[in-house]
Amino acid sequence: GQNIDQPTEMTATEGAIVQINCTYQTSGFNGLFWYQQHAGEAPTFLSYNVLDGLEEKGRFSSFLSRSKGYSYLLLKELQMKDSASYLCAVRDRGGDYKLSFGAGTTVTVRA
Amino acid sequence: EAQVTQNPRYLITVTGKKLTVTCSQNMNHEYMSWYRQDPGLGLRQIYYSMNVEVTDKGDVPEGYKVSRKEKRNFPLILESPSPNQTSLYFCASSLQSFTDTQYFGPGTRLTVL
Repeated sequence: GQNIDQPTEMTATEGAIVQINCTYQTSGFNGLFWYQQHAGEAPTFLSYNVLDGLEEKGRFSSFLSRSKGYSYLLLKELQMKDSASYLCAVRDRGGDYKLSFGAGTTVTVRA
Repeated sequence: EAQVTQNPRYLITVTGKKLTVTCSQNMNHEYMSWYRQDPGLGLRQIYYSMNVEVTDKGDVPEGYKVSRKEKRNFPLILESPSPNQTSLYFCASSLQSFTDTQYFGPGTRLTVL
């Protein structure tokens, strides 16, 4: 199975940059997802990485290093609406395919 | 509009009283899953279904049942709810596998007294 670690909370100022780290241990890595979840709402898909490197989508970027078992989600030009929980999820193909979620990182954006 | 719907959104019940949470998707997805979300534990998969009449256990199936009689519907059944099943429940559907990008329903907050 997977062991997925993310920081519990982060705080940043509007307009700034925040980097949310995710480390994982898995027997057969097959992809990593980032989801955004606003309080009281459903998670929504942000990004997917399966190869090493940086994937950029507007103000959000996601990076993956498979050899280090490490990913980060970079949020640039923070806006108040970015205050949410960010979930890292790892797909493992060891044995049966599995998808496991981290506990999430709550980001608070302050004016 | 492509969406996953769940009902009810909020439910307070008592120990032992059978309940069903419905889930429906209009995206013609073959794969559907149920998750529970608890503070500090993240989303944990309860059951998943690969197609009509095909279901399998996830990580935390104890105390739950599911059925998949139609492609669009995937109800979650708690035959005898207990307080440790108090949680936030999400239904999700996905296109190519149950580990693909998940499209989540709005959630059902269940309290078992």
